[in-house]
Amino acid sequence: NAGVTQTPKFQVLKTGQSMTLQCAQDMNHNSMYWYRQDPGMGLRLIYYSASEGTTDKGEVPNGYNVSRLNKREFSLRLESAAPSQTSVYFCASRPETESPLHFGNGTRLTVT
Amino acid sequence: GENVEQHPSTLSVQEGDSAVIKCTYSDSASNYFPWYKQELGKRPQLIIDIRSNVGEKKDQRIAVTLNKTAKHFSLHITETQPEDSAVYFCAASRVLSGGYNKLIFGAGTRLAVHP
Repeated sequence: NAGVTQTPKFQVLKTGQSMTLQCAQDMNHNSMYWYRQDPGMGLRLIYYSASEGTTDKGEVPNGYNVSRLNKREFSLRLESAAPSQTSVYFCASRPETESPLHFGNGTRLTVT
Repeated sequence: GENVEQHPSTLSVQEGDSAVIKCTYSDSASNYFPWYKQELGKRPQLIIDIRSNVGEKKDQRIAVTLNKTAKHFSLHITETQPEDSAVYFCAASRVLSGGYNKLIFGAGTRLAVHP
């Protein structure tokens, strides 16, 4: 039982490049989330998926797209990376409302 | 929109002292309030949570209090130890229309416990 698995752990991109961050959970959770974490700003919600087949914008969705491929997987795509997207990205899942988030180990992304 | 404010941003205590971190939220419909601990380079992990129908909850040296009228909640750590040193995040969550829910985090408090 691995919990929430994120890949890659580290990535360096040049401005304008694209990439997809992968996330998978094996806990049969309905809801999945993508957060970014910047120093002094806590965790900010990018996108979330309340259930398979649905996605919604969070606080900071600009520059990102997501896909809820199935109940297990929720990917985050940067179509044209910008230096402002340098951050640590966390994927998380939870089974239902009013329940704790389970976080992955994060992806540290640097855009030069 | 929803907002969660957290204070202080940094907190330094001596081992054995108590530490208190406070959060206020703006959305009166919020009904779930978790606290997460994040050690350097690691993922956030839940340490305690409270729901809106409860005023206080304890788990060994950790306690959380909730005042729904004032829209604030606090984390209390007693008999602090060096291993309590980390960044602590509060959060508030509510159910949106359609059954969706989302969690909004505070900016975090960096706690340092000195031996």
